Amino acid sequence: AQSVTQLGSHVSVSEGALVLLRCNYSSSVPPYLFWYVQYPNQGLQLLLKYTSAATLVKGINGFEAEFKKSETSFHLTKPSAHMSDAAEYFCAVSDYDYKLSFGAGTTVTVRA
Amino acid sequence: GAVVSQHPSRVICKSGTSVKIECRSLDFQATTMFWYRQFPKQSLMLMATSNEGSKATYEQGVEKDKFLINHASLTLSTLTVTSAHPEDSSFYICSARWGGRGYEQFFGPGTRLTVL
Repeated sequence: AQSVTQLGSHVSVSEGALVLLRCNYSSSVPPYLFWYVQYPNQGLQLLLKYTSAATLVKGINGFEAEFKKSETSFHLTKPSAHMSDAAEYFCAVSDYDYKLSFGAGTTVTVRA
Repeated sequence: GAVVSQHPSRVICKSGTSVKIECRSLDFQATTMFWYRQFPKQSLMLMATSNEGSKATYEQGVEKDKFLINHASLTLSTLTVTSAHPEDSSFYICSARWGGRGYEQFFGPGTRLTVL
């Protein structure tokens, strides 16, 4: 079974600073990887996904992630944080049965 | 496109009653629908997978007689929490996928269940 580890349950950044959220996966087969964002009391919104095409994936709202097979990582970055980026972020991996396994989540707070 | 709705968004019920939550794919036919629950400050845990016209597949530890799932059409799945108790209080989220979008799932806005 696939699994995901998100390092850091809480990340605090200043507005305009780099946002870096770490995600490592364990998979015995080529994975399908996703980053989702969740605002309070809402469902999940897809930020970006990796599906074995380009290793650098660009998503919505200025986010991007790089798939590194040698490091089994899929870290999420955004060059300049905005106040609206304050939310919960989940990394997820999909198996061939289409089930998603989620990381524990990382809460991002943005300081003015 | 690929919008998923849930109804109701919030429900409060008394212990012992049953609650039904609907999940609809509004602009696509869902090959598969998934049900998750999420406790406060925690991640999403998959409860079950349902395909239209067939029985749902439950994850280990999920009571299928307590969490009844019906996937009657390609656009509607329902989750019924039977004889709800306070420990069933949680945020329930559904998602749906269709073959044309590979492994991507589209999530509903969630339903907050509070059992008194």
